[in-house]
Amino acid sequence: EDKVVQSPLSLVVHEGDTVTLNCSYEVTNFRSLLWYKQEKKAPTFLFMLTSSGIEKKSGRLSSILDKKELFSILNITATQTGDSAVYLCAVVGNFNKFYFGSGTKLNVKP
Amino acid sequence: EPEVTQTPSHQVTQMGQEVILRCVPISNHLYFYWYRQILGQKVEFLVSFYNNEISEKSEIFDDQFSVERPDGSNFTLKIRSTKLEDSAMYFCASQGLLRYNEQFFGPGTRLTVL
Repeated sequence: EDKVVQSPLSLVVHEGDTVTLNCSYEVTNFRSLLWYKQEKKAPTFLFMLTSSGIEKKSGRLSSILDKKELFSILNITATQTGDSAVYLCAVVGNFNKFYFGSGTKLNVKP
Repeated sequence: EPEVTQTPSHQVTQMGQEVILRCVPISNHLYFYWYRQILGQKVEFLVSFYNNEISEKSEIFDDQFSVERPDGSNFTLKIRSTKLEDSAMYFCASQGLLRYNEQFFGPGTRLTVL
């Protein structure tokens, strides 16, 4: 059965901390892995990863994929209260079908 | 910046009634999706649509559900006879070819079935 597992399920940190969110997957015919940030409503796209070992970076956020070990991490450095959200990992498999993890709920305290 | 829009933002209906949720994808996109998210649970894939037909659907997408692109701009999800457990947030997403696999989500329609 295809699945995506995220950990931890929730995380509380203080502003300025660095966090690492994990996503492991077992998906047939992997095509890509995507990270999203979901605040109040719709997910917003952060990164798409298709190749192992190539870090994607956007400001304080970065992500990397390991296709051999079947996981990805999302790093957020110098966290701010505005980073508080649920971070979703999704893996694209056969026929462009998306499999979402349950998300990691990040709470950044001032 | 182009965006996906959805209407209505909130729909309340009685069990057994039919509902149609509407989405306007980004205009030059080719792949369209519906997802749902039951309150407090994870986002679930329902169906993908390409070239005017369903390309993939999940186990959730049974005979009660249908999708249509009636006029080349709107993309609709119909639930024929709603059940209490259909209450959820329904997200539409669209995807182009140039930025392959990057999906843009609409703001969602909250469906409440009483």
